[in-house]
Amino acid sequence: EIVMTQSPATLSVSPGERATLSCRASQSVNSNLAWYQQKPGQAPRLLIYGASTRAAGISARFSGSGSGTEFTLTISSLQSEDFAVYYCQQYKNWPLTFGGGTKVDIK
Amino acid sequence: EVQLLESGGGLVQPGGSLRLSCAASGFDLSNYAMSWVRQAPGKGLEWVSTISGSGGSTYYADSVKGRFTISRDNSKNTLYLQMNSLRTDDTAVYYCGKDGGPGGYFFDHWGQGTLVTVSS
Repeated sequence: EIVMTQSPATLSVSPGERATLSCRASQSVNSNLAWYQQKPGQAPRLLIYGASTRAAGISARFSGSGSGTEFTLTISSLQSEDFAVYYCQQYKNWPLTFGGGTKVDIK
Repeated sequence: EVQLLESGGGLVQPGGSLRLSCAASGFDLSNYAMSWVRQAPGKGLEWVSTISGSGGSTYYADSVKGRFTISRDNSKNTLYLQMNSLRTDDTAVYYCGKDGGPGGYFFDHWGQGTLVTVSS
């Protein structure tokens, strides 16, 4: 099983600042990596797939990078609606696995 | 507009059974793999099971293998999850997710979730 590790667990950021979230895979997943955003009481929402391709309707503030085992989600200028929990997910191998999440909260 | 609507959750005793449904609309269900993902209270996301568009291939997490069965009825635009021998650690919100398309099993649309509580 590929273990996905996200860091940090919590990231405190001021509105307008840049946020950088990390996701590490225990073995290479090539570019088979997705990022999701989840707000309290809501279902997750797809942000990024293929490590760097924004999903339909996703703001250009969100960008993904990386390949192999190291990945980054960057939010260029945090807006109030961006404070949420973010998950990465690999889909190279079964079982599909998620990281433990990074909570982005207001500093 | 793609919509996914789960139903069938509720309170069940340990060892009991429950069947979840996910009604799909706004797309041709037969063209997409579909999955179930769960989230225990206050915890992260856990993939449960995936079924191919035709239904010919199924995949399960080890934690549910042999107890849960995923199926689909494309004529009814509905995905199912039959859950047997339920345990307290199966307590979670269960989401159905639509595959993002060729290239991999990620989820571009999610339902709102249905809560399953396993407790005596």
